[in-house]
Amino acid sequence: KQEVTQIPAALSVPEGENLVLNCSFTDSAIYNLQWFRQDPGKGLTSLLLIQSSQREQTSGRLNASLDKSSGRSTLYIAASQPGDSATYLCAVIENTGFQKLVFGTGTRLLVSP
Amino acid sequence: GAVVSQHPSWVICKSGTSVKIECRSLDFQATTMFWYRQFPKQSLMLMATSNEGSKATYEQGVEKDKFLINHASLTLSTLTVTSAHPEDSSFYICSASPPGRTTSYEQYFGPGTRLTVT
Repeated sequence: KQEVTQIPAALSVPEGENLVLNCSFTDSAIYNLQWFRQDPGKGLTSLLLIQSSQREQTSGRLNASLDKSSGRSTLYIAASQPGDSATYLCAVIENTGFQKLVFGTGTRLLVSP
Repeated sequence: GAVVSQHPSWVICKSGTSVKIECRSLDFQATTMFWYRQFPKQSLMLMATSNEGSKATYEQGVEKDKFLINHASLTLSTLTVTSAHPEDSSFYICSASPPGRTTSYEQYFGPGTRLTVT
């Protein structure tokens, strides 16, 4: 059974810092990996999607990398801002022909001014 | 593009009653939608896969007679929580994958529905 873990569970940083969020998964037979942002009491916003054949994706200040063989992905946030405060979730789609997402445990990020 | 809406955004109901939650894809057609549940400070757990024109596929441990799913059209799926109990109180979120994303399976999520059963 696929298990997705995120470290750290919570992170508090001052504005302007560069930071790295980690995601690990137990079964490397994934189709793709997706990073989401969730604000309190809200739905999910898709940030980046990395297909299994790719190693990284970039969008603005965000960069996500994927090492499928080791079962790891990282989300790099450059020059963090208070507006980045949210919970970040990674999720994998297994290579089973279905579209089911298996979510990680999440990292709660707080960026203070 | 790729907007998914949910209604209502929050609902309070009494124990033993039923409540219906709607999930709509606003600017695309979705043959498949997904229903997730999220308990406080926990991650999302897939409940079921909703298929247009056919029965939903439920995850292990999810009672199909309690959580009724109807994918009535290519833009609408509904989740009905029947005979709700306080332990059903949760945040319910739906998602869909636009046709152009079928090769990547990228999913877009609705804003969620907060259900409180008293």
